[in-house]
Amino acid sequence: NAGVTQTPKFQVLKTGQSMTLQCAQDMNHNSMYWYRQDPGMGLRLIYYSASEGTTDKGEVPNGYNVSRLNKREFSLRLESAAPSQTSVYFCASISGGNTGELFFGEGSRLTVL
Amino acid sequence: GQQVMQIPQYQHVQEGEDFTTYCNSSTTLSNIQWYKQRPGGHPVFLIQLVKSGEVKKQKRLTFQFGEAKKNSSLHITATQTTDVGTYFCAGPPGTSGTYKYIFGTGTRLKVLA
Repeated sequence: NAGVTQTPKFQVLKTGQSMTLQCAQDMNHNSMYWYRQDPGMGLRLIYYSASEGTTDKGEVPNGYNVSRLNKREFSLRLESAAPSQTSVYFCASISGGNTGELFFGEGSRLTVL
Repeated sequence: GQQVMQIPQYQHVQEGEDFTTYCNSSTTLSNIQWYKQRPGGHPVFLIQLVKSGEVKKQKRLTFQFGEAKKNSSLHITATQTTDVGTYFCAGPPGTSGTYKYIFGTGTRLKVLA
């Protein structure tokens, strides 16, 4: 099983460019999450989707949009990238409910120049 | 909003010494989870505690969930170099149906051989 797959793994953008980070899970999980992790810092929740068709803001949603395309896929879009969005982005999923193990992808390292 | 703090932020220990990290939430948690992130890696689930006052052990690791379900601790006995990494606590607030997993600030452990 692949688990949680994120693409791309690395990306360099110029300020003002847009891009979408893709995330897919093959575990039939209901809930999916996007976190960002800055160097030496903890994980901050950007957006989450408790179930297919729903999305909610996390701690740091400004500058991002998300789409829960179907049960498997949850994408994160930066409409106009800023240097402050340079970070490692992690996607995660959980089987359901507000209990259980979060499974993380390998991360996407984004640099905005 | 919910805030989850961990102390200490960093800890350097000699191999064989014990290590403890503490997690404190500003709100009651539905459950508490602990994750380990190796340098350059993604967070990996260690354990989940659900009940008030719960204690669980995994070999040299002991996890506790506070009586008020607002704090938790992870204790490692006789650290080894393989314990190196950052340890995070995480959990959704105690409100029913909330899936908003907020991570603690993390404790980075370095073990000196």
